[in-house]
Amino acid sequence: DILMTQSPSSLSASVGDRVTITCRASQTISTYLNWYQQRPGKAPKLLMFDASTLQSGVPSRFSGSGSGTDFTLTISSLQPEDFATYYCQQTYSTPYSFGQGTKLELK
Amino acid sequence: EVQLVESGGGLVQPGGSLRLSCAASGFTFSSYAMTWVRQAPGKGLEWISAISGSGGAAYYPDSVKGRFTISRDNSKNTLFLQMNSLRAEDTGIYYCAKVLGRAVAGKPIDYWGQGTLVTVSS
Repeated sequence: DILMTQSPSSLSASVGDRVTITCRASQTISTYLNWYQQRPGKAPKLLMFDASTLQSGVPSRFSGSGSGTDFTLTISSLQPEDFATYYCQQTYSTPYSFGQGTKLELK
Repeated sequence: EVQLVESGGGLVQPGGSLRLSCAASGFTFSSYAMTWVRQAPGKGLEWISAISGSGGAAYYPDSVKGRFTISRDNSKNTLFLQMNSLRAEDTGIYYCAKVLGRAVAGKPIDYWGQGTLVTVSS
């Protein structure tokens, strides 16, 4: 099974900051990497798939990069609604594992 | 508008069974793979099953293999998850979700239901 490891597990930032979250796979997954945002009490929402393809309707301040085993999600200028938990997921091979999550909190 | 509405959650004793349903609307159900993802209280997401659009292929992690069965009725636009031999560690919110494609392989989840809570406790 592929293990997905996110860093950091939590992050404090301010509105307007640029933040980057990292996701590392235990083996190569090409670009079969997705990012989701989950606000408290809500279902997750797809932000990015295939490592760098922005899902329709997602603001362009979100961007993704990487291939192989190392990936990043960047938010260029944090907005109040971006404070949430972010998860990466690999869909290279089953079981389609998620990272443990990165909680983005307001400083 | 895509809608996914789960039902069937509740309190069940260890060793018991439960069947979750997910009513889908707003898209051609048989054209898309579907999946179940769960989230234990205060914890992260865990992928627990997926099924192709035709229902001919299904996938599970070892944690639920042999205990859980995913199925679908394309004539009724409904997804199911039969859960047997339930354990305390199966407690959590169970999300029904749509995959961005007919096949399971390589595709992300593009729509999620609001989830149904399953509690396994005596």
